Amino acid sequence: NAGVTQTPKFHILKIGQSMTLQCTQDMNHNYMYWYRQDPGMGLKLIYYSVGAGITDKGEVPNGYNVSRSTTEDFPLRLELAAPSQTSVYFCASSWVHNSPLHFGNGTRLTVT
Amino acid sequence: KNEVEQSPQNLTAQEGEFITINCSYSVGISALHWLQQHPGGGIVSLFMLSSGKKKHGRLIATINIQEKHSSLHITASHPRDSAVYICVTPISNFGNEKLTFGTGTRLTIIP
Repeated sequence: NAGVTQTPKFHILKIGQSMTLQCTQDMNHNYMYWYRQDPGMGLKLIYYSVGAGITDKGEVPNGYNVSRSTTEDFPLRLELAAPSQTSVYFCASSWVHNSPLHFGNGTRLTVT
Repeated sequence: KNEVEQSPQNLTAQEGEFITINCSYSVGISALHWLQQHPGGGIVSLFMLSSGKKKHGRLIATINIQEKHSSLHITASHPRDSAVYICVTPISNFGNEKLTFGTGTRLTIIP
């Protein structure tokens, strides 16, 4: 099992550009999450999904969009990138909210 | 006030010491996770527990639902245990349960 796979691992984006961070899991998990982690800080929830076709905002959704057209994939879209979006992004999944969490290896994004 | 509080925020100990990290939460929960994040690295789930105690190698996690408290213990600590340890629990918010993260405990084990 690959678990949770995030791509890319690193990316540099110019201000105003857009990009999509990919997240896929092969465990048939219902719940998927996107977090960002700024240097020296904790994880902040951007968006989450409890199943295909269902998404909801987390603490810091501004500047991001998500979709969940399949159980496996939960891409995170950055529109009009800003320096404040420089961060490490983690995708996670779980079967339900009170089952073990599985994290991807993270995507380190720099916006300059 | 964060609904999930961890203590201490930072902990430095000598190799071999017994380590305890605490997590308190303010509302009733169905489960609690302990995560480990190494410097610059990914995040690993150590435990998910809803009652009692779980053990994996030198790591032990306990939870007291009535007291709304969980602890993570490390026996015979080793420098490779140096990491940030995070407790996470689903907190109900108007019928939706969202994972709420503790502030994390940065552990440094000195050889």
